[in-house]
Amino acid sequence: EPEVTQTPSHQVTQMGQEVILRCVPISNHLYFYWYRQILGQKVEFLVSFYNNEISEKSEIFDDQFSVERPDGSNFTLKIRSTKLEDSAMYFCASSIASYQETQYFGPGTRLLVL
Amino acid sequence: GENVEQHPSTLSVQEGDSAVIKCTYSDSASNYFPWYKQELGKRPQLIIDIRSNVGEKKDQRIAVTLNKTAKHFSLHITETQPEDSAVYFCAASNGQGAQKLVFGQGTRLTINP
Repeated sequence: EPEVTQTPSHQVTQMGQEVILRCVPISNHLYFYWYRQILGQKVEFLVSFYNNEISEKSEIFDDQFSVERPDGSNFTLKIRSTKLEDSAMYFCASSIASYQETQYFGPGTRLLVL
Repeated sequence: GENVEQHPSTLSVQEGDSAVIKCTYSDSASNYFPWYKQELGKRPQLIIDIRSNVGEKKDQRIAVTLNKTAKHFSLHITETQPEDSAVYFCAASNGQGAQKLVFGQGTRLTINP
């Protein structure tokens, strides 16, 4: 069964550094999402992406964040200048359509900002 | 915007007993309600979902009920087993555009052997 994959599984970075988190959505899916989960808390929506543009973004997704689909398979989340509070698990998800469709989550990237 | 409240935050039941987790939502336009199971350090995995045109859905030991009038939905797990121990999240979406899921706070379910 196809799965969403993410790399790296863990990332440690210094405050102020840029990080890029990578995701490979399921191949025939058209909608892509990033969520984050701070340790012990609920999953929070960051951004959704369709047809090479952002569909919706949350208040968390400020100017320090950007997303890109650089080729036909990868979907990336960039944090330009990391803060301590960006430490979290970041999940990529994808769905074949949007309306009432299942979102499949990747295994996550655990980001630790020191 | 949508707000999803989930209760209880922790639930401990004896193996073989039933477990019920409840969620309420605020946006009457929400029409899709998935439940995810998350084991420690792993990805959330969909276990069941319900769309607003039905009131109940069942899949083996798992069932979900939806009350649109009261804006709440519940997860029912019968004949619980140790492998059911995990954190369960409910979520809601209004299906507009590339739908975002708004999650509840999660319920840590422990099945005692």
